[in-house]
Amino acid sequence: KQEVTQIPAALSVPEGENLVLNCSFTDSAIYNLQWFRQDPGKGLTSLLLIQSSQREQTSGRLNASLDKSSGRSTLYIAASQPGDSATYLCAVRGSSGNTPLVFGKGTRLSVIA
Amino acid sequence: DVKVTQSSRYLVKRTGEKVFLECVQDMDHENMFWYRQDPGLGLRLIYFSYDVKMKEKGDIPEGYSVSREKKERFSLILESASTNQTSMYLCASSGQVIKYFGPGTRLTVL
Repeated sequence: KQEVTQIPAALSVPEGENLVLNCSFTDSAIYNLQWFRQDPGKGLTSLLLIQSSQREQTSGRLNASLDKSSGRSTLYIAASQPGDSATYLCAVRGSSGNTPLVFGKGTRLSVIA
Repeated sequence: DVKVTQSSRYLVKRTGEKVFLECVQDMDHENMFWYRQDPGLGLRLIYFSYDVKMKEKGDIPEGYSVSREKKERFSLILESASTNQTSMYLCASSGQVIKYFGPGTRLTVL
C-alpha cells in the first residue's frame, strides 16, 4: 500500500529565505505527483504536477523535482514571502488507470515578516 | 477555469440526523472523490467514483454512502451522523491528470 511522508511537519522561516519541503513515497510505481497548497479553513489549490516521466516542474518561485527511483520529491520555494504561509501537501497517483491520490499529512509553513 | 463547488461551507447537525453533502464540477470530469481532513491525520479518502452510477470505497467508507446519478454531481451521505464525523470534507474531481478540489465543507455534529 502506498504511503506518503512529508518532512518536516512544520517549518518557520524569515521572509526572503529559500526553502525546501520534502516528500517521500514507498511505491515508486506512480503515474504522477502533485503538490498542493491549503490555506487555513479552505480547500486545496494545485501548485505543480510532475508526470512520472519528468524530473521537475517550475512555476514562478516554485520548483518541484521528482526522483521516482528513490521515491522522493522536493518543493523548492525561492525568496519566501509571508503570503507563502500555508500548508503544503504532496500527493501521488498510482500507475494504473483511475487510482485516487494518496496524500502526505502536509508541511505547515510560516514565513515571518 | 475548472470549478468544483460544494453546497455548504459550514454545516451543523445533530447526532442521528441524515446529512447530504453535495459536490458539483463543471469540467465534464469522469473521476470524483470525497475526502475528510482531520488534524494530524491528513486527507483520507472516503469514496470515489470514476463514472456515473459507479462508486468505489476508499480508506474509510464506514458510516458513509455516496450517490452519482449525473456526471457532474457526486453526493456524500451520512445516514446517521455521529460526533466522530465532525470534520472538514473535501470534494475533488479530475480527468486523467490534475485533480481539482472544492473549497470544503466544515461539518460539526453535536
